[in-house]
Amino acid sequence: AQKVTQAQTEISVVEKEDVTLDCVYETRDTTYYLFWYKQPPSGELVFLIRRNSFDEQNEISGRYSWNFQKSTSSFNFTITASQVVDSAVYFCALKGGNTGKLIFGQGTTLQVKP
Amino acid sequence: DADVTQTPRNRITKTGKRIMLECSQTKGHDRMYWYRQDPGLGLRLIYYSFDVKDINKGEISDGYSVSRQAQAKFSLSLESAIPNQTALYFCATSDFRGTEAFFGQGTRLTVV
Repeated sequence: AQKVTQAQTEISVVEKEDVTLDCVYETRDTTYYLFWYKQPPSGELVFLIRRNSFDEQNEISGRYSWNFQKSTSSFNFTITASQVVDSAVYFCALKGGNTGKLIFGQGTTLQVKP
Repeated sequence: DADVTQTPRNRITKTGKRIMLECSQTKGHDRMYWYRQDPGLGLRLIYYSFDVKDINKGEISDGYSVSRQAQAKFSLSLESAIPNQTALYFCATSDFRGTEAFFGQGTRLTVV
């Protein structure tokens, strides 16, 4: 069975702090994809990153970085120098097989206070 | 214009009413999906379709039905709405490889 766990339900930080959102996944597939999405208060889902199971290189995009570790089945997301505009719900998701179905974690609500 | 468009964006309906949520896409993708989002549960798959003649149940299909009227259109119906179907609904598409999903803006449905 496939499963994604985001154990942190809510995180609150003060602006300019660094924050890491955890994501742990379970799958028996050897080929799979991992995703992060951001959902701002307006409700839409904003795609942040996709990672395939064969690429364990860490990714950095501006203040965002992702740490993919197959050994611990984790795909964590770090925001450096957080800003109020980072306040949102963040979802980690897993796609295995060839159906295109996404398995989502429960989401982590990040609040960045000024 | 958005690549994946959902209508309506917001809807309030009464218990027992039939309601249809519509999704259309300009991505040219064969695969379309309906997800439901509830607080603390993330998004869960209701139905998905690989082409016009293909319909598959997802994780939580009870109480819902779908229709794939054309490659670009995928509708979700609640035959007799109940309050616990109050949620945010998302339509999504992907290409044949299924490596990336493109989401609509969401439909916020309230059943009173």
